[in-house]
Amino acid sequence: GAGVSQSPRYKVAKRGQDVALRCDPISGHVSLFWYQQALGQGPEFLTYFQNEAQLDKSGLPSDRFFAERPEGSVSTLKIQRTQQEDSAVYLCASSLGGRAYEQYFGPGTRLTVT
Amino acid sequence: GQQVMQIPQYQHVQEGEDFTTYCNSSTTLSNIQWYKQRPGGHPVFLIQLVKSGEVKKQKRLTFQFGEAKKNSSLHITATQTTDVGTYFCAGHDMRFGAGTRLTVKP
Repeated sequence: GAGVSQSPRYKVAKRGQDVALRCDPISGHVSLFWYQQALGQGPEFLTYFQNEAQLDKSGLPSDRFFAERPEGSVSTLKIQRTQQEDSAVYLCASSLGGRAYEQYFGPGTRLTVT
Repeated sequence: GQQVMQIPQYQHVQEGEDFTTYCNSSTTLSNIQWYKQRPGGHPVFLIQLVKSGEVKKQKRLTFQFGEAKKNSSLHITATQTTDVGTYFCAGHDMRFGAGTRLTVKP
C-alpha cells in the first residue's frame, strides 16, 4: 500500500505568513508524529498523536505552532506568523502503535521562510 | 528531559573498512531505535532494541544495547558504498541523536 505522504513538498513563505502542512499517514496507523529537521541535524520531536488525541506536544517550540488530527487520520501542522528560524524540513511519521513501534516517515515538507 | 548524544558526528571510511557509531543517553531508556537517512531522503527504520545487553544482527550490521540501557552502538562490518548516509538513534521519547554521517570512499 501507499506510504506516508506529505504536502506540499516545498513551501516558500514570507516572514509573518501562516502556513499549513499536511500529513497523510499509512491507513490503519494509530500513531502520528511530527518532527522538525534542520540542515545537518537529527529530527527534533514536535508532537505525537494517538488517534485524534494529542498525547505529547512538548516539542512544539512556541505557541505559533499548532497541530491537529481531528478524525484520527490526516494531520495538519500549522505555523503562524512564520519566522526565518522556522525554515527546516518538517517530517511526519506514523506507526501501528505507540512510540515503541517502527515509525514510517514521509518525504517531508521543506519550508523556507524569506 | 531525555538527552541522546551520538558520536562521532562524521566518519569517512575506505570501502571495506568497519564503522561504528555510538549513542549515549543521560537517562535509562526503555527502548532504542536506529534509523538510516540517505542524502536527500527520509529516515528509514533499521531496528529496535529493548532488552538490557541485547545484541541484534542484520547481515553486516550489529546493534548493541548496553547493560544499563543508557547506551547503544551500531557496527557495520566491511562497509560498502550503499552504506552511505546518516545513522540516527532515538530513545523511547523519540528524541533523536544528531546522527553520524558516514561517507564511503570506493
